[in-house]
Amino acid sequence: GNSVTQMEGPVTLSEEAFLTINCTYTATGYPSLFWYVQYPGEGLQLLLKATKADDKGSNKGFEATYRKETTSFHLEKGSVQVSDSAVYFCALKDANTGNQFYFGTGTSLTVIP
Amino acid sequence: NAGVMQNPRHLVRRRGQEARLRCSPMKGHSHVYWYRQLPEEGLKFMVYLQKENIIDESGMPKERFSAEFPKEGPSILRIQQVVRGDSAAYFCASSPGSGHGYFGPGTRLTVT
Repeated sequence: GNSVTQMEGPVTLSEEAFLTINCTYTATGYPSLFWYVQYPGEGLQLLLKATKADDKGSNKGFEATYRKETTSFHLEKGSVQVSDSAVYFCALKDANTGNQFYFGTGTSLTVIP
Repeated sequence: NAGVMQNPRHLVRRRGQEARLRCSPMKGHSHVYWYRQLPEEGLKFMVYLQKENIIDESGMPKERFSAEFPKEGPSILRIQQVVRGDSAAYFCASSPGSGHGYFGPGTRLTVT
């Protein structure tokens, strides 16, 4: 079946530190992969996505590369800001299994000045 | 183009009451998904609907929960005879079909 595993949080970093949030997946088909961000009290916003192997999604300084060989989609940012404090969800969507999203449990990030 | 709209944003119900959650998809989107987020957990798929049809309800509890997406109007998630364990954030997402879903801000249901 389909599933997503994320590194557990919470993660606390100082401003300008390097961020990595690990995400691995299991899928029966050829999924698209996503990172969503949830700011306090808000819904999920799409951060970036990749639809096939070796694609790199990027947005707002965040990047993630679709690695089929390691079934991973790790999120990285070179220099985090206080405003990046949020919960980050890795997700996959597989058109072969009904178009629903499968989400990881989320990783809470707090960036301190 | 307005985003996905959900209302109410916060809903408080006593045990045994009914909860109705509404989702208006983005203009032109005919696919709606409902997800539930329990405290400290990720989002769990509940149901996937297209206009007037339930496509996949494999994530819906068998009892007390129902969903619809009529030809006109918003999608409705209904929870009858709520219990404390139903307290969660309920998110709706819409899409034109394939591709990523646009999520609404969620409805936070509290059962007292």
